[in-house]
Amino acid sequence: AQSVTQPDIHITVSEGASLELRCNYSYGATPYLFWYVQSPGQGLQLLLKYFSGDTLVQGIKGFEAEFKRSQSSFNLRKPSVHWSDAAEYFCAVGARFSGGYNKLIFGAGTRLAVHP
Amino acid sequence: EAQVTQNPRYLITVTGKKLTVTCSQNMNHEYMSWYRQDPGLGLRQIYYSMNVEATDKGDVPEGYKVSRKEKRNFPLILESPSPNQTSLYFCASSRVGEKLFFGSGTQLSVL
Repeated sequence: AQSVTQPDIHITVSEGASLELRCNYSYGATPYLFWYVQSPGQGLQLLLKYFSGDTLVQGIKGFEAEFKRSQSSFNLRKPSVHWSDAAEYFCAVGARFSGGYNKLIFGAGTRLAVHP
Repeated sequence: EAQVTQNPRYLITVTGKKLTVTCSQNMNHEYMSWYRQDPGLGLRQIYYSMNVEATDKGDVPEGYKVSRKEKRNFPLILESPSPNQTSLYFCASSRVGEKLFFGSGTQLSVL
């Protein structure tokens, strides 16, 4: 069965420090992979996605993620965190069906706090 | 402006009183879906629809109904809400195979 694991429930970093949020997935085929961010009281915003090709994906707000098939991972990184990055981050895998996907399976989320 | 609109944003109700959460998108998307978000569980899919009159169950469909009579609308119906349906609900839409656009969410409390 497909699943997504985000091992860290909470992470706290200092402003300006680097960030890595971990994501491991279980899926039988080549997955579609996503990172979403949810600010308090807001919906989800897509940060970046991986469908195929280059395994290092650039997203919005200075985020990037690297797909590592051998480790079944899709970790999110940012070289220098800003206070406005404090939010909850969700990794998701898209279950593929013919013509695309019709299901996103989400991890439990990682809540990021940023110290000034 | 392209958007997914959910109403209401907040809803408090009592056990057994039927309610409907509306969802509308203005992007002519074929695919629409409902998720519920619970602490420590992430988002779980309730129902989805690939097009008009085509709906199917997600991972947690019990206690919910949906309909897709028009392409733009995908209401979520709770015929007899129970406290375990207290949650944050999100509607989403997309073209098939493309990125999901999410609504702002509906916080439902069932007393």
